[in-house]
Amino acid sequence: RKEVEQDPGPFNVPEGATVAFNCTYSNSASQSFFWYRQDCRKEPKLLMSVYSSGNEDGRFTAQLNRASQYISLLIRDSKLSDSATYLCVVNLNTGFQKLVFGTGTRLLVSP
Amino acid sequence: EPEVTQTPSHQVTQMGQEVILRCVPISNHLYFYWYRQILGQKVEFLVSFYNNEISEKSEIFDDQFSVERPDGSNFTLKIRSTKLEDSAMYFCASRAGLGRYEQFFGPGTRLTVL
Repeated sequence: RKEVEQDPGPFNVPEGATVAFNCTYSNSASQSFFWYRQDCRKEPKLLMSVYSSGNEDGRFTAQLNRASQYISLLIRDSKLSDSATYLCVVNLNTGFQKLVFGTGTRLLVSP
Repeated sequence: EPEVTQTPSHQVTQMGQEVILRCVPISNHLYFYWYRQILGQKVEFLVSFYNNEISEKSEIFDDQFSVERPDGSNFTLKIRSTKLEDSAMYFCASRAGLGRYEQFFGPGTRLTVL
C-alpha cells in the first residue's frame, strides 16, 4: 500500500463550484498533516495544516479522521486561480520530520 | 515575508560532472531539508539536517550526495558524479522547529544531466 494515496484526477469544475479531495495514509504513527498546492513546475506551497478538530481558512476546509487514516480538503466557490495540483502530505513527528507526499490531485477550474 | 531562496534556477551538466545546488533557508529556522521531484512524479525526501549534521537520509541519498552548511546562511547539496537519472527538480525546505512543523520550500533548481 502506498504511504500516501490520492486520486490523481484531474477534477474539472466550473468557477463557483465546490470540490472535495480525499487522501489516505498508511502509517498510523503519522502525526502531522498538511495540504500543499503546487503549480506546474513550481515549488510546493503550504496551503494549510490539518488538525484533528478540522480547520477552515477562508474558502478552504480541511478534515482529519485518524481512525480511518483519511484526510480531506474542501474548496468552496472555486476560482480560476485555484487550478493547481493539491498535495496531501504527512509526517511521522518522529526524528526530524521528513515529509511524505502523495502524488497529488490535479484541479482545473474553468470559466 | 521571509522565504527560502535557491540558486541556480536551472543547471545543465554533463554526466559524471559534479554539481552544487545552493539554498538560503529562512533566517532563524533550525531544520533544513532537500527533496527532489522527477518530472511527472511525486516529491521525494532526500535528507534532513540539524545542528550541523545529517539527521536522516533516504535510500536515494547515497555516497554520491553530500550536504553542507558552510556558513550561517547557506545550505548546499553536492552531487559528486551526476547520472542521467539525477535529472529532476531539487527543492530545499526549512522549518522553524520549536514546536512548529510546517516546512517552507524554495523555488527549486531544475537539474538536467546530459
